[in-house]
Amino acid sequence: RKEVEQDPGPFNVPEGATVAFNCTYSNSASQSFFWYRQDCRKEPKLLMSVYSSGNEDGRFTAQLNRASQYISLLIRDSKLSDSATYLCVVTFNDYKLSFGAGTTVTVRA
Amino acid sequence: NAGVTQTPKFQVLKTGQSMTLQCAQDMNHNSMYWYRQDPGMGLRLIYYSASEGTTDKGEVPNGYNVSRLNKREFSLRLESAAPSQTSVYFCASSESIGGYTFGSGTRLTVV
Repeated sequence: RKEVEQDPGPFNVPEGATVAFNCTYSNSASQSFFWYRQDCRKEPKLLMSVYSSGNEDGRFTAQLNRASQYISLLIRDSKLSDSATYLCVVTFNDYKLSFGAGTTVTVRA
Repeated sequence: NAGVTQTPKFQVLKTGQSMTLQCAQDMNHNSMYWYRQDPGMGLRLIYYSASEGTTDKGEVPNGYNVSRLNKREFSLRLESAAPSQTSVYFCASSESIGGYTFGSGTRLTVV
């Protein structure tokens, strides 16, 4: 079983729509959680950390459900520039990160 | 503001050839990493260096060696390339948990 699993998508949404997706993790002892964004043929970049109480960063909202071992990302008012692959990342509070394979989001005009 | 610099960006090798991927960071980070990314799979950790002078195996170390030359530089060596090592390789550095800065990647094809 993979440590981090994501629905690969793609999620095809019109501009202005809301899109949400989850990832599940297998290690219940995981302590820290993040979402990274990766544009086509580019390097991943940190989008946001995920806190236990949930957190927002502009149009992006991240949630953590420890009981069910999943994290979610919601994007409101989607922009064309949000088209990317979103990588779910977990760690057991050390510097080594475990990455999911990513969820692809395509926003169409 | 170079961040993490990887060279080369592209490389084609014949089976059995060797090569070294170079990585340098200018952010004074202690920790550095090498990952590979294959279609349908997440980034997988090959080797990492928690601090200058130390290196440790990650999830997929077989066929690779690393050198932490100094605090800035962390190189990855393929001694005898195999087609299974065709991949995109990313170097990263960090000073905080989760806060990785990645290089732009090396696209390696082994024929």
